[in-house]
Amino acid sequence: GAVVSQHPSWVICKSGTSVKIECRSLDFQATTMFWYRQFPKQSLMLMATSNEGSKATYEQGVEKDKFLINHASLTLSTLTVTSAHPEDSSFYICSAGLFTDTQYFGPGTRLTVL
Amino acid sequence: AQKITQTQPGMFVQEKEAVTLDCTYDTSDQSYGLFWYKQPSSGEMIFLIYQGSYDEQNATEGRYSLNFQKARKSANLVISASQLGDSAMYFCAMRGEASGTYKYIFGTGTRLKVLA
Repeated sequence: GAVVSQHPSWVICKSGTSVKIECRSLDFQATTMFWYRQFPKQSLMLMATSNEGSKATYEQGVEKDKFLINHASLTLSTLTVTSAHPEDSSFYICSAGLFTDTQYFGPGTRLTVL
Repeated sequence: AQKITQTQPGMFVQEKEAVTLDCTYDTSDQSYGLFWYKQPSSGEMIFLIYQGSYDEQNATEGRYSLNFQKARKSANLVISASQLGDSAMYFCAMRGEASGTYKYIFGTGTRLKVLA
C-alpha cells in the first residue's frame, strides 16, 4: 500500500513552454500533497502544500504564478511549470498522505529546460 | 523556527557492520514527528522509520532503529548489518504539528557508502 506515482518521470522542453507534472496516490486518498524541488546533491525544498478542494499554500520565495498547483481530487495533484526557463531545471518530487499520517513520496520528475 | 541538522555529509561503513547517521533538530512544538528517508541514485524517497515526540520507546523497523534522545534533541538512525544496497543518500526530516500544516522540513542529508 501507500503508493504514489508521478508522471512523467522525466521531461525535456524548450524554454518558454509550460510543463505539467501529475502526482497520484494510487491506493489511498490523500487530503494533503506536498511539492518539493531538489537540486543536484542538495536537500528537498518544500515549494507548496496542496489541499484537496482549496488553493495551494506556497512557501516564501516560490512564485505561485510560475508554479501552478491544482489538487482537483483526493488522488490527484498537478504542478504546472509555466513559461519554463533553464533555471527551472530540477528534480520535482511530490508526497501524499492522510493529514497527520506519514507522507509517501512519488518517484520524482526530472525536468530539463533547454 | 524549526531546523534539522545533519552534520555528516558522507559516511563509509564496511559491509555487515553497523553505522549511525546523526540528526539533531530544533523546534518549539511539543508535538512533532521525526522521520528518516533513504534516497538511492534513482531519486525516489523511501520511508524508513518514524518516531513520534511522545513515543517513549525508540522506533525499530527491521535493520533500522532510531536512537531518540529528546532532551538532546537528537534522532540518530542506526543501520545494523549494513548491506551494499544500503549505499544511498539518507535524509532526516521533521514534521511540526502545532501549526496544523504538517509540513516536513529536511536536513541536508548524509551520503552513505557501504564497502564490500
